[in-house]
Amino acid sequence: TQLLEQSPQFLSIQEGENLTVYCNSSSVFSSLQWYRQEPGEGPVLLVTVVTGGEVKKLKRLTFQFGDARKDSSLHITAAQPGDTGLYLCAGISNTGNQFYFGTGTSLTVIP
Amino acid sequence: DVKVTQSSRYLVKRTGEKVFLECVQDMDHENMFWYRQDPGLGLRLIYFSYDVKMKEKGDIPEGYSVSREKKERFSLILESASTNQTSMYLCASIGSQGRRQPYEQYFGPGTRLTVT
Repeated sequence: TQLLEQSPQFLSIQEGENLTVYCNSSSVFSSLQWYRQEPGEGPVLLVTVVTGGEVKKLKRLTFQFGDARKDSSLHITAAQPGDTGLYLCAGISNTGNQFYFGTGTSLTVIP
Repeated sequence: DVKVTQSSRYLVKRTGEKVFLECVQDMDHENMFWYRQDPGLGLRLIYFSYDVKMKEKGDIPEGYSVSREKKERFSLILESASTNQTSMYLCASIGSQGRRQPYEQYFGPGTRLTVT
Protein backbone atom coordinates (compact mmCIF):
# COMPACT_ATOMS: atom_id res chain seq x y z
CA THR A 1 0.00 0.00 0.00
CA GLN A 2 1.48 3.30 -1.08
CA LEU A 3 0.60 5.79 1.63
CA LEU A 4 2.71 8.80 0.63
CA GLU A 5 2.60 10.60 -2.70
CA GLN A 6 5.39 12.95 -3.70
CA SER A 7 5.22 15.67 -6.30
CA PRO A 8 6.69 16.35 -8.67
CA GLN A 9 8.12 12.99 -9.66
CA PHE A 10 10.86 14.61 -11.78
CA LEU A 11 12.35 18.07 -11.56
CA SER A 12 15.08 19.59 -13.70
CA ILE A 13 16.16 23.13 -12.87
CA GLN A 14 19.03 25.53 -13.45
CA GLU A 15 21.61 26.21 -10.77
CA GLY A 16 20.50 29.06 -8.52
CA GLU A 17 16.77 28.44 -8.83
CA ASN A 18 14.48 27.63 -5.92
CA LEU A 19 12.24 24.58 -5.71
CA THR A 20 9.72 22.84 -3.48
CA VAL A 21 8.96 19.14 -3.20
CA TYR A 22 5.74 17.95 -1.62
CA CYS A 23 4.93 14.80 0.30
CA ASN A 24 1.24 14.11 0.92
CA SER A 25 -0.73 11.43 2.70
CA SER A 26 -4.20 10.76 4.06
CA SER A 27 -2.61 9.05 7.06
CA VAL A 28 -1.26 10.63 10.23
CA PHE A 29 2.32 9.85 11.21
CA SER A 30 4.11 10.25 14.52
CA SER A 31 7.07 11.77 12.67
CA LEU A 32 8.39 12.15 9.17
CA GLN A 33 11.84 11.92 7.64
CA TRP A 34 13.46 13.08 4.44
CA TYR A 35 16.22 11.09 2.78
CA ARG A 36 18.45 11.82 -0.23
CA GLN A 37 19.76 9.06 -2.44
CA GLU A 38 22.63 9.52 -4.87
CA PRO A 39 23.17 7.17 -7.83
CA GLY A 40 24.63 3.83 -6.79
CA GLU A 41 24.09 4.48 -3.09
CA GLY A 42 21.43 3.87 -0.48
CA PRO A 43 19.29 6.70 0.92
CA VAL A 44 20.83 8.88 3.62
CA LEU A 45 18.82 10.67 6.27
CA LEU A 46 18.61 14.47 5.93
CA VAL A 47 16.17 15.42 8.66
CA THR A 48 13.42 14.24 11.01
CA VAL A 49 10.39 16.36 11.89
CA VAL A 50 8.26 15.31 14.82
CA THR A 51 5.81 18.09 15.72
CA GLY A 52 2.89 19.30 13.62
CA GLY A 53 3.81 22.65 12.07
CA GLU A 54 7.51 22.16 12.77
CA VAL A 55 10.00 23.86 10.46
CA LYS A 56 13.64 22.77 10.28
CA LYS A 57 16.43 24.34 8.30
CA LEU A 58 19.54 22.60 7.06
CA LYS A 59 21.65 25.23 5.28
CA ARG A 60 19.71 25.92 2.04
CA LEU A 61 17.11 23.22 2.74
CA THR A 62 13.92 24.00 4.67
CA PHE A 63 11.64 21.21 5.83
CA GLN A 64 8.11 21.64 7.12
CA PHE A 65 5.77 19.15 8.75
CA GLY A 66 2.06 19.85 8.24
CA ASP A 67 -0.07 20.87 11.19
CA ALA A 68 -2.07 17.66 10.97
CA ARG A 69 1.09 15.54 10.56
CA LYS A 70 -0.15 14.16 7.24
CA ASP A 71 2.09 16.05 4.84
CA SER A 72 5.47 17.69 4.50
CA SER A 73 7.43 19.88 2.14
CA LEU A 74 11.08 20.36 1.28
CA HIS A 75 12.19 23.72 -0.08
CA ILE A 76 15.64 24.25 -1.57
CA THR A 77 16.95 27.78 -2.03
CA ALA A 78 19.52 28.54 -4.73
CA ALA A 79 19.90 24.95 -5.85
CA GLN A 80 23.37 23.66 -6.65
CA PRO A 81 24.50 20.69 -8.77
CA GLY A 82 25.43 18.88 -5.56
CA ASP A 83 21.73 18.83 -4.64
CA THR A 84 21.07 16.45 -7.52
CA GLY A 85 19.59 13.17 -6.35
CA LEU A 86 16.44 11.29 -5.44
CA TYR A 87 14.55 12.77 -2.49
CA LEU A 88 12.37 10.45 -0.45
CA CYS A 89 10.00 11.23 2.37
CA ALA A 90 9.14 8.56 4.93
CA GLY A 91 6.30 8.54 7.44
CA ILE A 92 7.00 6.73 10.68
CA SER A 93 4.53 4.72 12.72
CA ASN A 94 3.87 5.21 16.42
CA THR A 95 6.01 2.16 17.19
CA GLY A 96 8.94 3.91 15.56
CA ASN A 97 10.15 0.95 13.56
CA GLN A 98 7.81 0.97 10.56
CA PHE A 99 8.64 3.34 7.75
CA TYR A 100 6.34 4.19 4.85
CA PHE A 101 8.26 5.70 1.97
CA GLY A 102 7.00 8.18 -0.57
CA THR A 103 7.14 7.70 -4.33
CA GLY A 104 10.29 9.82 -4.65
CA THR A 105 11.29 13.02 -6.46
CA SER A 106 14.24 12.91 -8.82
CA LEU A 107 16.00 16.30 -8.87
CA THR A 108 18.55 17.36 -11.45
CA VAL A 109 20.31 20.69 -11.04
CA ILE A 110 21.96 21.84 -14.25
CA PRO A 111 25.15 23.93 -13.87
CA ASP B 1 29.90 5.03 11.59
CA VAL B 2 27.21 2.48 10.97
CA LYS B 3 27.98 0.29 8.06
CA VAL B 4 25.47 -1.81 6.16
CA THR B 5 26.93 -3.96 3.42
CA GLN B 6 25.25 -6.00 0.73
CA SER B 7 26.88 -8.99 -0.87
CA SER B 8 26.62 -7.83 -4.48
CA ARG B 9 26.15 -4.53 -6.28
CA TYR B 10 24.97 -6.15 -9.49
CA LEU B 11 23.50 -9.59 -10.09
CA VAL B 12 22.15 -11.27 -13.21
CA LYS B 13 20.11 -14.43 -12.80
CA ARG B 14 17.93 -16.60 -15.01
CA THR B 15 14.23 -17.19 -14.55
CA GLY B 16 13.59 -20.01 -12.09
CA GLU B 17 16.92 -19.73 -10.28
CA LYS B 18 17.09 -19.50 -6.50
CA VAL B 19 18.67 -16.18 -5.52
CA PHE B 20 20.23 -15.18 -2.21
CA LEU B 21 20.83 -11.54 -1.30
CA GLU B 22 22.90 -11.03 1.82
CA CYS B 23 22.98 -8.03 4.13
CA VAL B 24 25.29 -7.45 7.08
CA GLN B 25 25.31 -4.56 9.59
CA ASP B 26 28.05 -3.89 12.12
CA MET B 27 26.24 -1.82 14.77
CA ASP B 28 24.38 -4.50 16.72
CA HIS B 29 21.02 -3.22 15.43
CA GLU B 30 17.92 -5.19 16.34
CA ASN B 31 15.77 -4.23 13.36
CA MET B 32 16.57 -5.03 9.76
CA PHE B 33 14.58 -4.46 6.57
CA TRP B 34 14.49 -5.48 2.93
CA TYR B 35 12.99 -3.10 0.36
CA ARG B 36 12.72 -3.10 -3.37
CA GLN B 37 12.98 0.17 -5.26
CA ASP B 38 11.33 0.79 -8.60
CA PRO B 39 11.00 4.12 -10.46
CA GLY B 40 7.88 6.03 -9.48
CA LEU B 41 7.05 3.60 -6.69
CA GLY B 42 9.58 4.64 -4.06
CA LEU B 43 10.70 1.97 -1.60
CA ARG B 44 8.34 -0.90 -0.90
CA LEU B 45 8.87 -3.08 2.16
CA ILE B 46 9.28 -6.79 1.48
CA TYR B 47 10.12 -8.19 4.92
CA PHE B 48 11.50 -6.94 8.22
CA SER B 49 12.91 -8.53 11.33
CA TYR B 50 12.87 -7.33 14.95
CA ASP B 51 15.29 -9.89 16.27
CA VAL B 52 17.13 -13.08 15.48
CA LYS B 53 14.81 -15.70 13.98
CA MET B 54 11.94 -13.19 13.95
CA LYS B 55 10.42 -12.03 10.68
CA GLU B 56 7.39 -10.05 9.62
CA LYS B 57 5.85 -9.63 6.18
CA GLY B 58 5.90 -6.20 4.66
CA ASP B 59 3.72 -4.88 1.86
CA ILE B 60 4.98 -7.13 -0.96
CA PRO B 61 6.25 -10.46 0.46
CA GLU B 62 4.95 -12.69 -2.33
CA GLY B 63 7.76 -14.57 -4.07
CA TYR B 64 10.26 -13.79 -1.33
CA SER B 65 11.41 -15.29 1.95
CA VAL B 66 13.97 -14.19 4.53
CA SER B 67 16.34 -15.64 7.05
CA ARG B 68 17.85 -14.11 10.19
CA GLU B 69 20.01 -16.65 11.94
CA LYS B 70 22.42 -14.09 13.39
CA LYS B 71 21.71 -10.58 14.61
CA GLU B 72 24.04 -8.91 12.13
CA ARG B 73 22.86 -10.79 9.03
CA PHE B 74 19.54 -10.64 7.18
CA SER B 75 19.14 -12.61 3.98
CA LEU B 76 16.52 -12.20 1.26
CA ILE B 77 15.69 -15.28 -0.79
CA LEU B 78 13.95 -15.45 -4.13
CA GLU B 79 12.84 -19.08 -4.29
CA SER B 80 12.27 -19.06 -8.05
CA ALA B 81 13.29 -15.80 -9.67
CA SER B 82 10.95 -14.23 -12.19
CA THR B 83 11.43 -11.31 -14.58
CA ASN B 84 9.07 -9.10 -12.55
CA GLN B 85 11.53 -9.34 -9.68
CA THR B 86 14.09 -7.35 -11.65
CA SER B 87 14.68 -4.38 -9.39
CA MET B 88 17.00 -2.57 -6.99
CA TYR B 89 17.02 -4.24 -3.58
CA LEU B 90 17.95 -2.20 -0.51
CA CYS B 91 18.71 -3.48 2.95
CA ALA B 92 18.45 -1.24 6.02
CA SER B 93 18.81 -1.43 9.77
CA ILE B 94 17.86 0.60 12.81
CA GLY B 95 18.89 0.34 16.43
CA SER B 96 16.18 1.07 18.97
CA GLN B 97 17.59 -0.10 22.29
CA GLY B 98 18.86 2.77 24.38
CA ARG B 99 17.83 5.30 21.77
CA ARG B 100 14.94 7.70 21.59
CA GLN B 101 12.47 7.80 18.76
CA PRO B 102 12.39 8.63 15.96
CA TYR B 103 15.00 6.25 14.72
CA GLU B 104 17.24 6.63 11.69
CA GLN B 105 17.39 3.96 9.03
CA TYR B 106 20.85 3.10 7.73
CA PHE B 107 20.88 1.71 4.22
CA GLY B 108 23.24 -0.48 2.28
CA PRO B 109 24.33 0.55 -1.24
CA GLY B 110 21.77 -1.71 -2.90
CA THR B 111 21.87 -4.72 -5.19
CA ARG B 112 20.63 -4.26 -8.74
CA LEU B 113 19.15 -7.61 -9.71
CA THR B 114 18.30 -8.46 -13.30
CA VAL B 115 16.33 -11.62 -14.03
CA THR B 116 16.42 -12.73 -17.65
